[in-house]
Amino acid sequence: AQSVSQHNHHVILSEAASLELGCNYSYGGTVNLFWYVQYPGQHLQLLLKYFSGDPLVKGIKGFEAEFIKSKFSFNLRKPSVQWSDTAEYFCAVNAGYGGATNKLIFGTGTLLAVQP
Amino acid sequence: GAGVSQSPSNKVTEKGKDVELRCDPISGHTALYWYRQRLGQGLEFLIYFQGNSAPDKSGLPSDRFSAERTGESVSTLTIQRTQQEDSAVYLCASSLAPGGGETQYFGPGTRLLVL
Repeated sequence: AQSVSQHNHHVILSEAASLELGCNYSYGGTVNLFWYVQYPGQHLQLLLKYFSGDPLVKGIKGFEAEFIKSKFSFNLRKPSVQWSDTAEYFCAVNAGYGGATNKLIFGTGTLLAVQP
Repeated sequence: GAGVSQSPSNKVTEKGKDVELRCDPISGHTALYWYRQRLGQGLEFLIYFQGNSAPDKSGLPSDRFSAERTGESVSTLTIQRTQQEDSAVYLCASSLAPGGGETQYFGPGTRLLVL
């Protein structure tokens, strides 16, 4: 079965520190990859996604992620975090491309706390 | 336009009662999804509707769970004879017709507590 692993459950950083959140998936075929973010009291919203083409994807608020097919990874990065980046981050994979379903398989999330 | 809306925001019920959760997708979105998030866990797929096609019910955890959607509009998720393990946040999402990379837009969720 397809699965997504996020190895860091809680991350605490100081402002201006660099961020990298790990995401690995298990699926051998074509995938679409997503990072969603949930700020305190808000809806889940899309941060960035990989569909095809350049494996380095840039998203909102200075975030980026790199799809490394050989490692089945899609790690999220930001060079300098801000207090406003405090949120929960979810990695997700859609392995139903071209198929009958479009469901997302989510990781368990990483709670990021940025200290001012 | 307006985003995905869900009602109620919160629902407290007693074990054994039935509950009905509602989702209004973004206008024009043909695909609609239900997920649930139990405490400390990631989102878990429940069911997917796309236009007039048969829904993908592969994620429904038991026959106590069912969902309907009328055309490309409102959907309701019904949980019969609720159990304490049904306590979770139930999230609805919608998207344009899926091509694999379509973004799913999520609603605020319904927080269900079964006592």
